[in-house]
Amino acid sequence: EAQVTQNPRYLITVTGKKLTVTCSQNMNHEYMSWYRQDPGLGLRQIYYSMNVEVTDKGDVPEGYKVSRKEKRNFPLILESPSPNQTSLYFCASRYSGEGQPQHFGDGTRLSIL
Amino acid sequence: SQQGEEDPQALSIQEGENATMNCSYKTSINNLQWYRQNSGRGLVHLILIRSNEREKHSGRLRVTLDTSKKSSSLLITASRAADTASYFCATDASFGRGSTLGRLYFGRGTQLTVWP
Repeated sequence: EAQVTQNPRYLITVTGKKLTVTCSQNMNHEYMSWYRQDPGLGLRQIYYSMNVEVTDKGDVPEGYKVSRKEKRNFPLILESPSPNQTSLYFCASRYSGEGQPQHFGDGTRLSIL
Repeated sequence: SQQGEEDPQALSIQEGENATMNCSYKTSINNLQWYRQNSGRGLVHLILIRSNEREKHSGRLRVTLDTSKKSSSLLITASRAADTASYFCATDASFGRGSTLGRLYFGRGTQLTVWP
């Protein structure tokens, strides 16, 4: 089954404790992306990757890191999480080129205390 | 901001009625996409309309695009309780040189509730 898998689905942690949210897709998509969703603000893009070893900042990259060492994986790293990073996070992927729909994971709800 | 804006923010209707949601945006686009999000789940792609298209259909969905007004509408006909979800428009923006590296800009969504 074609899917984007995020782990964990839920995480409660404390300020400053490094964490990684994994994302994996099995559709051989070139393009992958991370979004955060906050009430009243919609989805905002954090980082995206056009292909392996190619990453770029989205609209809200501060406090986050990503890497794309393999085509299927695109982990999101919070080196020193802070409470303002409490949010619902989504990973998405698609084929490159104009007009390709994005496939989303089911989300990771992070709470930073 | 290139973000699309959906209107209304919330819509409540009875089963069998039609639901219409609107999206306005600011920049020229390559295409506009509509997504659906069930509570607690990821977004699911519904339909895409390109900038040179005016109307598109998919099952009970009808999407229109008016590039002169920078607006789109999503019509769900004969709605069902299972259509209850948030609906988002997303613009694939163009700055006159084609797609901006494939980025999508999402609006804040319309929460649709369909009562049995």
